[in-house]
Amino acid sequence: ETGVTQSPTHLIKTRGQQVTLRCSSQSGHNTVSWYQQALGQGPQFIFQYYREEENGRGNFPPRFSGLQFPNYSSELNVNALELDDSALYLCASSLASPAYGYTFGSGTRLTVV
Amino acid sequence: AQTVTQSQPEMSVQEAETVTLSCTYDTSENNYYLFWYKQPPSRQMILVIRQEAYKQQNATENRFSVNFQKAAKSFSLKISDSQLGDTAMYFCAFMKYNQGGKLIFGQGTELSVKP
Repeated sequence: ETGVTQSPTHLIKTRGQQVTLRCSSQSGHNTVSWYQQALGQGPQFIFQYYREEENGRGNFPPRFSGLQFPNYSSELNVNALELDDSALYLCASSLASPAYGYTFGSGTRLTVV
Repeated sequence: AQTVTQSQPEMSVQEAETVTLSCTYDTSENNYYLFWYKQPPSRQMILVIRQEAYKQQNATENRFSVNFQKAAKSFSLKISDSQLGDTAMYFCAFMKYNQGGKLIFGQGTELSVKP
């Protein structure tokens, strides 16, 4: 069984630009969540998708948006990038009941300059 | 709002010895889940162990065990027979029952296992 795959692994963007990060869920998982992990911090919940619908969101502004596709892969879009958006972005997938734990990807390191 | 606190930013242990990582949390919920995740330099977050709050028995996974004290809101991780491969950041995380999967993480403890 494949795990969670994220692309790209590293990315450098200029302030004000837009970025799209991609995630392929583990086979059989229909729930995907995105987290932002600033350097030296624990991950912060951005939002979660279940069967293509957003069903939970953290304290992030609307310029953070997402999509989940019928094959349960997902995208995280960030508009009007700010310097503080520089972080590791982690995607995690699970079965419908994430109480059994998520499978995380290795993340995308985004640097905004 | 729930919070998770890990008061030990860094710890070190000799290979083959035992180490305990601390975690406390704050919640008014009665039903919830607690997790320990490991994040090695590869950056991938790996689930180490989970505990359901309604279960009094402490969870165990091979060399990893927890001491869950619900009244004290404490959830420590014990690693026995430490191995070099245990070197990583360890995060304690909380999830409300039926929250929809939102994990609340602590700040992490960086564990170094020395030969």
